Amino acid sequence: DAKTTQPPSMDCAEGRAANLPCNHSTISGNEYVYWYRQIHSQGPQYIIHGLKNNETNEMASLIITEDRKSSTLILPHATLRDTAVYYCIVRVVRTGNQFYFGTGTSLTVIP
Amino acid sequence: EAGVVQSPRYKIIEKKQPVAFWCNPISGHNTLYWYLQNLGQGPELLIRYENEEAVDDSQLPKDRFSAERLKGVDSTLKIQPAELGDSAVYLCASRGQNTEAFFGQGTRLTVV
Repeated sequence: DAKTTQPPSMDCAEGRAANLPCNHSTISGNEYVYWYRQIHSQGPQYIIHGLKNNETNEMASLIITEDRKSSTLILPHATLRDTAVYYCIVRVVRTGNQFYFGTGTSLTVIP
Repeated sequence: EAGVVQSPRYKIIEKKQPVAFWCNPISGHNTLYWYLQNLGQGPELLIRYENEEAVDDSQLPKDRFSAERLKGVDSTLKIQPAELGDSAVYLCASRGQNTEAFFGQGTRLTVV
């Protein structure tokens, strides 16, 4: 079953903020939202995660709506090296901490 | 600190031949995952280990796939015999008690 829904692709101009949306309408109260990205020919790389509150680290910010049914990953100043596939994942505690990946959003940063 | 190490990085075999992939997780990480990733798709979980115990192998095609994690550290994923449709990237990941999952570079398998 699909756990998250993301647009298949997005473009962003270099230096601008990239806002990647994710819908997770069936999320439970104790399930976290994780974001990973995968650059071509590499394994997925952790970006950020959150439960209820907005989170920020050196890579990105995560904005979670109050009803927790959607979230947005923000890359504040996109660079060419941010071109990758971005996966929004719900950590399914019910089935023992599995990580289910969808098809992700392919972000292309344009010079 | 070394990350998750997988080998080989690439493997080309003829159909019906056996193949094995090896994963060395991050030291101290009890949870180990094997994922399969087809071209243009997200990773799909094959099996998850907690220490040496396979706690979820429901997505592992057991007629030809097998996995083991002896002593709860390194893990091996085997396919015997390989089929053309097994061509994909096989990813290993590990996770500690209160950490996110870290992924290896993957093994790209091509069955010809």
